[in-house]
Amino acid sequence: SQELEQSPQSLIVQEGKNLTINCTSSKTLYGLYWYKQKYGEGLIFLMMLQKGGEEKSHEKITAKLDEKKQQSSLHITASQPSHAGIYLCGAPTSGGAGGTSYGKLTFGQGTILTVHP
Amino acid sequence: NAGVMQNPRHLVRRRGQEARLRCSPMKGHSHVYWYRQLPEEGLKFMVYLQKENIIDESGMPKERFSAEFPKEGPSILRIQQVVRGDSAAYFCASSLTLYEQYFGPGTRLTVT
Repeated sequence: SQELEQSPQSLIVQEGKNLTINCTSSKTLYGLYWYKQKYGEGLIFLMMLQKGGEEKSHEKITAKLDEKKQQSSLHITASQPSHAGIYLCGAPTSGGAGGTSYGKLTFGQGTILTVHP
Repeated sequence: NAGVMQNPRHLVRRRGQEARLRCSPMKGHSHVYWYRQLPEEGLKFMVYLQKENIIDESGMPKERFSAEFPKEGPSILRIQQVVRGDSAAYFCASSLTLYEQYFGPGTRLTVT
């Protein structure tokens, strides 16, 4: 079965610093989603990457997809306390007799980000 | 456009009771997904439904759990005879196509 591993598991930065979170898949990626979750709340959709080499940005958050390496990175520039939370990567589940299941997402374990003012 | 709505937000049940979790997808979305987030575990897929059809239930426990998405009304995740191990956050997501799943705020189930 497919697994997504995120690194680091947790990250503490000072406000204004840049940071990167990585997500590596054990199998071929057919798309990659990034979500943010605040403790006790639901997931907020950040962005979706579909093609190798694709890069998307939203405000100060940039995500890239490297299909060959089976990984994606999420980069936050000039972090702010509002960026704090749990970042989750998710991907259509690859493998098994049915091939890739786009409706069934496999998630990483999450990266806990703390930003000190 | 309202987001995905789930209710109740918090649900307490005693062992052996039934739990019913409701999910109203975003307007126009016909794909609904249920996920479970157990303490100390990640988010796990349970079931994928389209109107009146179960498309993929590979993540659903074989017993006590069922899901439906009727032609009219919200999607329902039903857990019969709850046990303490069912205590978790249950999230519903919806999508217009097979991509960009939008999640609701979740229902936190506590079994006492």
